[in-house]
Amino acid sequence: KAGVTQTPRYLIKTRGQQVTLSCSPISGHRSVSWYQQTPGQGLQFLFEYFSETQRNKGNFPGRFSGRQFSNSRSEMNVSTLELGDSALYLCASSGTGQGGEKLFFGSGTQLSVL
Amino acid sequence: TQLLEQSPQFLSIQEGENLTVYCNSSSVFSSLQWYRQEPGEGPVLLVTVVTGGEVKKLKRLTFQFGDARKDSSLHITAAQPGDTGLYLCAGALRGGSYIPTFGRGTSLIVHP
Repeated sequence: KAGVTQTPRYLIKTRGQQVTLSCSPISGHRSVSWYQQTPGQGLQFLFEYFSETQRNKGNFPGRFSGRQFSNSRSEMNVSTLELGDSALYLCASSGTGQGGEKLFFGSGTQLSVL
Repeated sequence: TQLLEQSPQFLSIQEGENLTVYCNSSSVFSSLQWYRQEPGEGPVLLVTVVTGGEVKKLKRLTFQFGDARKDSSLHITAAQPGDTGLYLCAGALRGGSYIPTFGRGTSLIVHP
């Protein structure tokens, strides 16, 4: 069974640009969640999608958005990039996204904003 | 303020030593998970604990959930270089919609 796939693996952008990251969950998983990981703040929850609907949202500005498609694949978009957006962006999938359920993480997209 | 505080933040030990990592909060969790993350990879789930006082063992790793479900510990016996990584605890708050809270992690290096 294929794991969670995130593309691209690395990305370099400049301030003010926008970026789209992609996540393909494990087959059959309907919940996809996104996280930002930085050395200073650790893993911070961005949002979670289930059956194409955003079900939960973390405390991030509106520049961070996402969506989920009917095949459960998900994308997240960051507009008007800032230097502080440099981070490892991880997505995770699970069957239902219920509390305590096992999360399967991808290897992440390392975003550098110059 | 971090909802889940992990300590220590960094740990550098020799192969064969024992160690304990702590995850503390003032909030009550319905369940708590421990993950290990290796460089360049995403976190991988090690264990989920759900009952206060619960102890789970995974080979040389022992996980304990506090009686009040506010804290947890991870004990590694006879650490090996393969245990090197970032250990993260993550909790599901009791009674709320599931927004997982992660601690900042404990970075462990085990020297051969």
